Amino acid sequence: QVQLQESGPGLVKPSQTLSLTCTVSGGSISSGDYYWSWIRQPPGKGLEWIGYIYYSGSTYYNPSLKSRVTISVDTSKNQFSLKLSSVTAADTAVYYCASSISPASMDVWGQGTTVTVSS
Amino acid sequence: QAGLTQPPSVSKGLRQTATLTCTGNSNNVGNQGAAWLQQHQGHPPKLLSYRNNNRPSGISERLSASRSGNTASLTITGLQPEDEADYYCSAWDSSLGVVFGGGTKLTVL
Repeated sequence: QVQLQESGPGLVKPSQTLSLTCTVSGGSISSGDYYWSWIRQPPGKGLEWIGYIYYSGSTYYNPSLKSRVTISVDTSKNQFSLKLSSVTAADTAVYYCASSISPASMDVWGQGTTVTVSS
Repeated sequence: QAGLTQPPSVSKGLRQTATLTCTGNSNNVGNQGAAWLQQHQGHPPKLLSYRNNNRPSGISERLSASRSGNTASLTITGLQPEDEADYYCSAWDSSLGVVFGGGTKLTVL
């Protein structure tokens, strides 16, 4: 059973770049027909999809975040990563990584990591 | 960004049946159906169903999903206290990628 774990700084300054990593255990990130996604949830609010990287390496981003987002994969470390540039307080959220066999049906989720944007 | 529309809250009594709805359009729900997720406070979401009425292993048979046109529904029968949670729908949109509903808070009275 695949398990996911997010890691990264819990505090980021405004205008800087948020960087998070999701470590995959129990399976290989490069095997199979999987989508590896990032989703976030601002405090007290709903879920917002950020984007995914497909096992082939292709990416698809939320159009509203596309200009600031990069998702990449490191197969040697069995990890995938999120970079979100020029952050503001509106980017404060719990960030989740997830995997799925179809883009909108995430069946494995990490526990989430809280990122606060503040000076 | 246009998402999917869910009622903010639904309240039902213990052992009753709750039906949650999720309305989209022909670019998302009407095209490829919806998935449903359950989230308890302080925990990550959990997939309940995908592609309208496929349940992952371990998901209770008290849950069933369906779709009619651009609206997806999740029905939970025999409500239990542990069913009290936030429920989200998600779908693939041909223009926007993955879209979520705003979530429905289900209260079991």
